[in-house]
Amino acid sequence: DIQMTQSPSSLSASIGDRVTITCRASQGISKSLAWYQQRPGKVPKLLIYAASTLQSGVPSRFSGSGSGTDFTLTISSLQPEDVATYYCQKYNSAPLTFGGGTKVEIK
Amino acid sequence: EVQLLESGGGLVQPGGSLRLSCAASGFTFSSYAMSWVRQAPGKGLECVSVISGSGGSGGSTYYADSVKGRFTISRDNSKNTLYLQMNSLRVEDTAVYFCASQRTIHSSSPCDYWGQGTLVTVSS
Repeated sequence: DIQMTQSPSSLSASIGDRVTITCRASQGISKSLAWYQQRPGKVPKLLIYAASTLQSGVPSRFSGSGSGTDFTLTISSLQPEDVATYYCQKYNSAPLTFGGGTKVEIK
Repeated sequence: EVQLLESGGGLVQPGGSLRLSCAASGFTFSSYAMSWVRQAPGKGLECVSVISGSGGSGGSTYYADSVKGRFTISRDNSKNTLYLQMNSLRVEDTAVYFCASQRTIHSSSPCDYWGQGTLVTVSS
């Protein structure tokens, strides 16, 4: 099975900082990669699919890039409401594996 | 507005059974794949089971290795309801179980709407 590895596992940044989270697949998955945000105590929310397509209603400060095995989620200017754990997920074929998550905090 | 409402969670002893339900509304239920995703306390997300929509590979199913042979996913399109029958439950199955709808009829698609989750606790 394809493994999804996220880095870092946690980060602390200041308001307004640019934040980058990386997700690596153990084999190529084309662009079948989604990013989710889970705020503390809340339900996961789809942010990005097809590696770079923003889900409707998601702020434009979020962006995704990559294909094959290496993917990136970028928050261009970190806001207080972005405190959350972010997960990548591959969905090209079963199993629909999630990465381990990246916890984003405010410095 | 899409709504997914899970029910059926609770406390069960190891080896016991539970059936989770997810009542869907606000979209054409039969036309979308559906998933059960769980999250153990303080842990990450695990896709437990997926079922494609009608016409999409004929309701094909997928199970994580951790639940294969013990859990069964099914759907009743006439009732707009998704189910997860969980047998031979283990302590490590303790988690919040989320129902999620996917973006397409096919199981190989991301989850775009999520329910609030139902807690399953397996303990003696």
